[in-house]
Amino acid sequence: GAGVSQSPSNKVTEKGKDVELRCDPISGHTALYWYRQSLGQGLEFLIYFQGNSAPDKSGLPSDRFSAERTGGSVSTLTIQRTQQEDSAVYLCASSLWGRASTDTQYFGPGTRLTVL
Amino acid sequence: KQEVTQIPAALSVPEGENLVLNCSFTDSAIYNLQWFRQDPGKGLTSLLLIQSSQREQTSGRLNASLDKSSGRSTLYIAASQPGDSATYLCAVLGGATNKLIFGTGTLLAVQP
Repeated sequence: GAGVSQSPSNKVTEKGKDVELRCDPISGHTALYWYRQSLGQGLEFLIYFQGNSAPDKSGLPSDRFSAERTGGSVSTLTIQRTQQEDSAVYLCASSLWGRASTDTQYFGPGTRLTVL
Repeated sequence: KQEVTQIPAALSVPEGENLVLNCSFTDSAIYNLQWFRQDPGKGLTSLLLIQSSQREQTSGRLNASLDKSSGRSTLYIAASQPGDSATYLCAVLGGATNKLIFGTGTLLAVQP
């Protein structure tokens, strides 16, 4: 079946603009995650959605970042008033159950964001 | 706070050689440990997942071990091939949260 898809694959924006990044998880997966991969910081967790529970937002770096998941499927990560330090690859992942020792997270190809 | 470290940061080997990548973590309260592969400009591909109750997992030429008490995991790659060249990342799923904590990665180059 289809894997995790993300769009756009590349996004170049000017400092101060808002951007939206989209993630389509694997069908039937109840858990969805956003991570960020930047030079010098490695891969870091941003936010986690599990079913209808309140999301775990503990990794969001500032209040300029927000995410929503509509209908328990597609998710959108929004960055307001982008800054140059927001430049990174944003990765989305999904898993079947979430909190389980056997749960593998499947990653999308990522969106490369460049803020000029 | 969980910290995950990988050694070495980079490794270059001739084709056919067996090799070991190392991963260490500071908090042994984990649900599982996963090894991923990342090719340049691509997302992550899950290679192996070891549950906290398991000692090792095998898939083809790959074998991953887990020693939770000492906070260590190794990824063994047998008979390496140029197609194995990639960055290898280990990540732990903690008990207090559902987020993966990633290591710093090992960049592997297998020379033909």
